[in-house]
Amino acid sequence: NAGVMQNPRHLVRRRGQEARLRCSPMKGHSHVYWYRQLPEEGLKFMVYLQKENIIDESGMPKERFSAEFPKEGPSILRIQQVVRGDSAAYFCASSLLAGNEQFFGPGTRLTVL
Amino acid sequence: TQLLEQSPQFLSIQEGENLTVYCNSSSVFSSLQWYRQEPGEGPVLLVTVVTGGEVKKLKRLTFQFGDARKDSSLHITAAQPGDTGLYLCAGEEAGANSKLTFGKGITLSVRP
Repeated sequence: NAGVMQNPRHLVRRRGQEARLRCSPMKGHSHVYWYRQLPEEGLKFMVYLQKENIIDESGMPKERFSAEFPKEGPSILRIQQVVRGDSAAYFCASSLLAGNEQFFGPGTRLTVL
Repeated sequence: TQLLEQSPQFLSIQEGENLTVYCNSSSVFSSLQWYRQEPGEGPVLLVTVVTGGEVKKLKRLTFQFGDARKDSSLHITAAQPGDTGLYLCAGEEAGANSKLTFGKGITLSVRP
């Protein structure tokens, strides 16, 4: 029973490029959450999605960031025109039902040069 | 605004010692979770507490949820080097649409 999978584990981008982070939830889970962890900071909620729907995006920056969770395939967190301040670890979590326990993936560590 | 305060921020102890760490807030949470995170990995769920005053045990770890559901503690008995890691508490506020609010974490180092 595979856990939450994220890829790539490490991603290096130059300023201005696009970053695409992928998350495959645990089998049977249809609720996905994205969090960002900056150095010396706690994890901060970004967005909550349920298949094909964005439920809560209150933690997403207004510009350059978007997320989707299509009917088929993984959830994608997309960052356009990356800047150095986007360098962080991005974690995805999934749950079976809304309000249930969230299980985290290993994260994608984004470095913007 | 930091909704969840964890203390102490850093703790270094000798193997075999007992310790208690805390997670405090002015907000009421419908549930509170403790995670442990190793360097370069994602948080791993240890326990979820839901009821005020609830106590849960996981081997040598004892978790307590405050009566008012605003705070929690984690007690480790006879700490071992394998307990070394970052301990995170996270709360879900009522009506918060499942999103978790995390504390900054407690870095625990257990020396052999």
